[in-house]
Amino acid sequence: GENVEQHPSTLSVQEGDSAVIKCTYSDSASNYFPWYKQELGKRPQLIIDIRSNVGEKKDQRIAVTLNKTAKHFSLHITETQPEDSAVYFCAAPSGGSYIPTFGRGTSLIVHP
Amino acid sequence: DTGVSQDPRHKITKRGQNVTFRCDPISEHNRLYWYRQTLGQGPEFLTYFQNEAQLEKSRLLSDRFSAERPKGSFSTLEIQRTEQGDSAMYLCASSQLQGRETQYFGPGTRLLVL
Repeated sequence: GENVEQHPSTLSVQEGDSAVIKCTYSDSASNYFPWYKQELGKRPQLIIDIRSNVGEKKDQRIAVTLNKTAKHFSLHITETQPEDSAVYFCAAPSGGSYIPTFGRGTSLIVHP
Repeated sequence: DTGVSQDPRHKITKRGQNVTFRCDPISEHNRLYWYRQTLGQGPEFLTYFQNEAQLEKSRLLSDRFSAERPKGSFSTLEIQRTEQGDSAMYLCASSQLQGRETQYFGPGTRLLVL
């Protein structure tokens, strides 16, 4: 099955700085990579995703990059705001499955 | 609200009791998933339905756990003879049939086994 590693586990930044979270995966057949944001006590919500036919996708202050050769993908948040504080999860399904394996999460803290 | 809903939101039970949770997916979504999430961890897959058929179950899912989706709409997850280790957030998600589409999560049911 898929093995997803996520780093760092905690990330503390000042408001306005950029934040980068990285994930690696093991199954070279994986072709869909979502990122979820989970605020305390709330449900995980999709914030951005990328498919393996592109290397980068951007949505306002959020971007995701994918390196299929190295089997890693990253979440980039620019101009961070306190409301970006949350736990972020990456995920990757095994190539033949609809079931994503989630990373262990990164707790992002944005200090005002 | 047309999102995924779950009931109850919180459940406290004594060890050895049975509990049942319900999930109502987004109406046009054919796929329904159950996950378990503990503090500091990402969601862990338990089981998955496509319409009424249960297509995949995790090795994490002991025989005390059973899930149903009898009419291909809502689903129930039952835990029999609960143990303290079952304490967790149980999340339901749904997605459309075509491709590996986005999963939309419900608010979860937080279970505490005393």
